[in-house]
Amino acid sequence: EDKVVQSPLSLVVHEGDTVTLNCSYEVTNFRSLLWYKQEKKAPTFLFMLTSSGIEKKSGRLSSILDKKELFSILNITATQTGDSAIYLCAVEVNTNAGKSTFGDGTTLTVKP
Amino acid sequence: EAQVTQNPRYLITVTGKKLTVTCSQNMNHEYMSWYRQDPGLGLRQIYYSMNVEVTDKGDVPEGYKVSRKEKRNFPLILESPSPNQTSLYFCASSQGAGGYTFGSGTRLTVV
Repeated sequence: EDKVVQSPLSLVVHEGDTVTLNCSYEVTNFRSLLWYKQEKKAPTFLFMLTSSGIEKKSGRLSSILDKKELFSILNITATQTGDSAIYLCAVEVNTNAGKSTFGDGTTLTVKP
Repeated sequence: EAQVTQNPRYLITVTGKKLTVTCSQNMNHEYMSWYRQDPGLGLRQIYYSMNVEVTDKGDVPEGYKVSRKEKRNFPLILESPSPNQTSLYFCASSQGAGGYTFGSGTRLTVV
């Protein structure tokens, strides 16, 4: 059974802090790992990672994948209150295109 | 505007009364999927579809049905809803690479 574990489950920081969110996975025939941000409504796509060691970056957010150790991290630098959200990690596999397994998410709260 | 549209946004129903949640996308995406989200449990995939007439079970398919007769539509059917299907439901679509685009969600309460 495919498994995705995120840590920590929740995190409270102050504006300006840097945070690191973790996602580890156990799947058969890995294809890609995706990060999403969920505020009050639907998740929105952040990054897709398929290759090990290649950093994806968008503004203050960055993410990297380690396929040997089976994990990914999402970094947010200089956090702002608008970064408060649930961050979701999901994994897709090659054998069942379209099937995705999500972790339980990390709830990030950024205080002013 | 590229989007995934779900209806209704909110629904309260009684146990056993069949219901359908509609989902439509205007991006010509091949992949579509239904998820449910419960507190502390992230998103769990119910069913997904790789193209017209091609569907498969996700991790929690029991009590649900889907159909994909047209590329743009992917309705979720609850033949006999039960209280344990009270949840927040999301429909999503994808080109196959680059992540899913999600609808705004349907909050379903079964009493």
